Amino acid sequence: AQTVTQSQPEMSVQEAETVTLSCTYDTSENNYYLFWYKQPPSRQMILVIRQEAYKQQNATENRFSVNFQKAAKSFSLKISDSQLGDTAMYFCAFTNTGNQFYFGTGTSLTVIP
Amino acid sequence: NAGVMQNPRHLVRRRGQEARLRCSPMKGHSHVYWYRQLPEEGLKFMVYLQKENIIDESGMPKERFSAEFPKEGPSILRIQQVVRGDSAAYFCASSFEPRLRYGYTFGSGTRLTVV
Repeated sequence: AQTVTQSQPEMSVQEAETVTLSCTYDTSENNYYLFWYKQPPSRQMILVIRQEAYKQQNATENRFSVNFQKAAKSFSLKISDSQLGDTAMYFCAFTNTGNQFYFGTGTSLTVIP
Repeated sequence: NAGVMQNPRHLVRRRGQEARLRCSPMKGHSHVYWYRQLPEEGLKFMVYLQKENIIDESGMPKERFSAEFPKEGPSILRIQQVVRGDSAAYFCASSFEPRLRYGYTFGSGTRLTVV
C-alpha cells in the first residue's frame, strides 16, 4: 500500500525567512512521481512543484525547491524568502502513474509579517 | 481557457436528500477524477472516469454514491440519502492523459454540508 506522511500539522515562518516542510512516503514501486500542492483559504488546489523518482536532481521552481532522498523515501519542500501569500495548507502527494494520487494530511503554514 | 469548473461551490442538504455535484473539466481534458476531503484530512481518491466510462471506482463507497461522465455535459457525482458523515469538500480534477506524470488540474471544490 502507498502511504504519505506529513508529521508537521502546523508551522510558521517570518516573512522573508526560509522554511522546510517534511514529507515521507512508503512504496514498493521504483517508478513514481511526487508533488507538493498548495491549498490557500480559497480552497483551490495549486500545483507547486513535482519530482520524478528516476531523476536524482532536485526540482526547483523559483522560491520553491525540494530535497528528494529516494533511499530514505523523503520529499521535503523548502520555501525561500517566504511571502505572506505563501500562507496556506501544503499537501505532499504521490502517484505511481496508476489511477490516483495519495495525499498526506497536510501542513498548515502561516507566514508572519 | 477556463480551468476545471465545479458547481455549486457550497451545497447544504438535509439528511436523506440527494446531492448532485457537477464538474466541467478543462478544455481538451477527457480524464476526470473525484476526491473527497474530510475535515483535518488530505484528499482521498473516489473515482476516475473517462467519457462515458468508469475506469476505477475503488475509492467510492459501495452504497449511495455514483458518478458519471456523459458524452455531452459535465461529470456528476451523486450522493443519495445523504448523512452527516458525507459533509466534506469534494474536489474534481482533470488531466489530458491517463498517466499522472504531470499532476492534475483541480477545481475549487464543492463544500457539502449535511444538516
